[in-house]
Amino acid sequence: QVQLQESGPGLVKPSETLSLTCTVSGGSISSQYWSWIRQPAGKGLEWIGRFSTTGNTYYNPSLKSRVTMSVDTSKNQLFLKLSSVTAADTAVYYCARGAQAVRHWFDPWGHGTLVTVSS
Amino acid sequence: QSALTQPRSVSGSPGQSVTISCTGTSSDVGNYNYVSWYQQHPGKAPKFMIYDVTERPSGVPDRFSGSKSGNTASLTISGLQAEDEADYYCCSYAGSSWVFGGGTKLTVL
Repeated sequence: QVQLQESGPGLVKPSETLSLTCTVSGGSISSQYWSWIRQPAGKGLEWIGRFSTTGNTYYNPSLKSRVTMSVDTSKNQLFLKLSSVTAADTAVYYCARGAQAVRHWFDPWGHGTLVTVSS
Repeated sequence: QSALTQPRSVSGSPGQSVTISCTGTSSDVGNYNYVSWYQQHPGKAPKFMIYDVTERPSGVPDRFSGSKSGNTASLTISGLQAEDEADYYCCSYAGSSWVFGGGTKLTVL
């Protein structure tokens, strides 16, 4: 059973780069599709981007200029970098498996990690 | 890419049925049969409930059902139970991207 766990600094200063790691256990990160999704406190979910080791990487058009996703297959880890952060990037960040052609859903999800942008 | 539109809240009594709507555009909900739904209890990660508009993953009770008409998808929960009280989010494929709804808070009275 695949499980995901997000990790990273809980506090990032404005204008700096947010860096998060998602560690996948119970299955290989290779040949799969993985997404980052975030949720500001009290607000809805926002898809950030989807990465695959074998396919296309897609980013939310509203975040595309600031987002980079990558993986380390040897460690079964997925990474998110979001540059030039502001208070509006404060949110719980989730990693999830999905989505892809004919499997347009996200499952499972990690527990999420809260990132606060503040000086 | 704008968020899909959901009612902020709905409510129902135990045993009743409620329907949550999710309105998009001809670029997302109306153009693809790739709508999924997620249930989120406070402080928890979202849980996958419906995919491809109408399909239920294994383990999801058949009290949960999905449908779509035009640019609007819907989630219906029948035989409401106390544990159904949660936030619900729809999500649609939008061609090389995915867009979520703003979420609906379901209150079981």
